[in-house]
Amino acid sequence: EAEVAQSPRYKITEKSQAVAFWCDPISGHATLYWYRQILGQGPELLVQFQDESVVDDSQLPKDRFSAERLKGVDSTLKIQPAELGDSAMYLCATSPDRGLFNEQYFGPGTRLTVT
Amino acid sequence: AQSVAQPEDQVNVAEGNPLTVKCTYSVSGNPYLFWYVQYPNRGLQFLLKYITGDNLVKGSYGFEAEFNKSQTSFHLKKPSALVSDSALYFCAVRSDGNNRLAFGKGNQVVVIP
Repeated sequence: EAEVAQSPRYKITEKSQAVAFWCDPISGHATLYWYRQILGQGPELLVQFQDESVVDDSQLPKDRFSAERLKGVDSTLKIQPAELGDSAMYLCATSPDRGLFNEQYFGPGTRLTVT
Repeated sequence: AQSVAQPEDQVNVAEGNPLTVKCTYSVSGNPYLFWYVQYPNRGLQFLLKYITGDNLVKGSYGFEAEFNKSQTSFHLKKPSALVSDSALYFCAVRSDGNNRLAFGKGNQVVVIP
C-alpha cells in the first residue's frame, strides 16, 4: 500500500537555527497538507497545497515559516529561525483532491525538538 | 468556527469489553466527520467517516461510529476491545462552509489485558 514519506523522522536543533522537513506524497495525490501537533493536542493545519499552489496558509506563521511544493509533488516546510515553542510533531498528509469527503493519508511525522 | 470536543483524556477498558470514545462537534452547515487513530511515533491512520446516509458507519479493525444530529455527536465504538486497540484516537470535522479539518485533542485508550 502506498504511503506518505517524511524525513527526517527526528530533528534536534538549537534555537535561532534553520530547519527543514520534507514530504513525499502518495503518487497522484494533488492535495498536500502540513500540520503541527503539539503534545497532548490534535493536529492543527499550517498550510494546504493544491498541486503547486497554496490554497490555505492563514495559520502559517509567515515571519519564520515557509512552505513550497514547486513541481506539485514533494514539499518542503522550513522554519527560520527556530524557537523553543516550535518543538512539536510536524505531520504531512495528502489526499487525491480537495473534496470535503476525502480522508487524508498521513506520513509518520517529524518530531522537532528545539533546545 | 468549527470545533470538536473529546471530553475524556483517557479511556480505560478491559480486554473483551465494549469500547466507546466520545466526540461532539460544532459546525455551520452540514458536518463531515472522521475518526483517526495514532500509534506511538506514528502518523494518523484513517478509521471511518460519516458523510451522509445511514447514521451508523462501519470502519477498519471492527470499529463503528454513530452520527447523532440532534446531539451533535459522533461516538466511536467497538463491541469487544483488544489490547492492540490501545492508542490515541482523534475525532475531526469538516463542513460545507469550511474545508479545513478541525481535530479534537484526542483520547488515549488503554485496553487492560
